[in-house]
Parts: sequence; structure tokens; C-alpha cells
Amino acid sequence: DTGVSQDPRHKITKRGQNVTFRCDPISEHNRLYWYRQTLGQGPEFLTYFQNEAQLEKSRLLSDRFSAERPKGSFSTLEIQRTEQGDSAMYLCASSLKDGATQYFGPGTRLLVL
Amino acid sequence: GDSVTQMEGPVTLSEEAFLTINCTYTATGYPSLFWYVQYPGEGLQLLLKATKADDKGSNKGFEATYRKETTSFHLEKGSVQVSDSAVYFCALSASKIIFGSGTRLSIRP
Repeated sequence: DTGVSQDPRHKITKRGQNVTFRCDPISEHNRLYWYRQTLGQGPEFLTYFQNEAQLEKSRLLSDRFSAERPKGSFSTLEIQRTEQGDSAMYLCASSLKDGATQYFGPGTRLLVL
Repeated sequence: GDSVTQMEGPVTLSEEAFLTINCTYTATGYPSLFWYVQYPGEGLQLLLKATKADDKGSNKGFEATYRKETTSFHLEKGSVQVSDSAVYFCALSASKIIFGSGTRLSIRP
């Protein structure tokens, strides 16, 4: 399977804990995006990378959130000191270039107790 | 800023009925327009897209036409099936994708 993959698919954690999610994009794609989707809503943009450079961050991305793409391939999204409001599906997508079709991974569903 | 407004759901239809899900957008430039679908328990899948005015995207019997004059991208299908039951998201893309809130579609046998 050469699609976008995400790990883990599900994560349950206690409030105050740190969590880290991983995304592996389609191999030749330069752009990688993170979105968050809460129940009954459409996905909301969080941040994106062009190769290893993080080019844009949404105001939704508080200082407890950090994303990296150190070698321009896979990316990680870390949430520190999780809060119940962080419970959501975290989606990763990749594309060849600006404006190209984005292909989405299956998502990581986070539940903060 | 850029935004997408789509028809609120849920929408419930009988099998073989005609489907329209309305979508309008606001954008400063000339974005690409998309419909994504999310089947129960699955991730987002691209259903169709259109990259410029008057383009028609089509896939699996679904169609949508990029209407610049009405800033719309309505999704249509002539005869729906039970397997079309899903949540449908209209979206526009400049660099990032901006999604509508989704329309849940349920098809009765």
C-alpha cells in the first residue's frame, strides 16, 4: 500500500500526558499537512510542511502542539499536557506540490480522559 | 477569509432518488474545488475535483460543476444507492484545504 499512513490509529490518554503521532506521506510528495476533525465538523487545518520546512501554522495550533518533519519524509505531531478539548481525529495528508490534490491518511483518533 | 458553506444534514433519501447537496464558497483567488467523502469508519477520500471555472468533476456517478458566477459547486447524482451513505465534504484549496462542515447522507433501501 503506497497511501498515506498514520500511527497509532487510536490513542487513549489521561489529561496532562504527552502524546505523539506519526504520519508517513506518499513517498514522492513534498507537501505534508496536519488537520484536526472534531465530531460532526469538517477537518480544520493545523499546519503544513514543504519538505522539512514548516511553512504555515494555524492559530488553532497552541504552544502545546509541535510538529516536525526532520528529513522531509515522515512527520510527527506532539501534544504536550493534553486537555480534554484535544480529543479529536488528527488527519495527515500529502500532496506533490502547492494546489495539487491532497491525499489523506486514515487518521489518529485521540481520546483524552 | 476563504470559506465553504454546505447544506446541513442529515439528508435521507430512498434508493434511486436524485441527490443534490449544495455548496457555495468564498475565496479571494481562483481555488480548486473538491468533494471528499467519508464512509463509516474510514478516512477521507477524494470523490471529485474541478480546478477552474466551468470544469465538471465526475466520479462514481457523482458530478459537480465549478460555477464562478454563483460561487457554487453543488454535488449531484441521478440515482443514489445504499452504498452512497456517508458524510460528504465540500472543500476549496489554495495552499491548505478549507472544508465545509459536512453533510451526512443516508440512503434507505
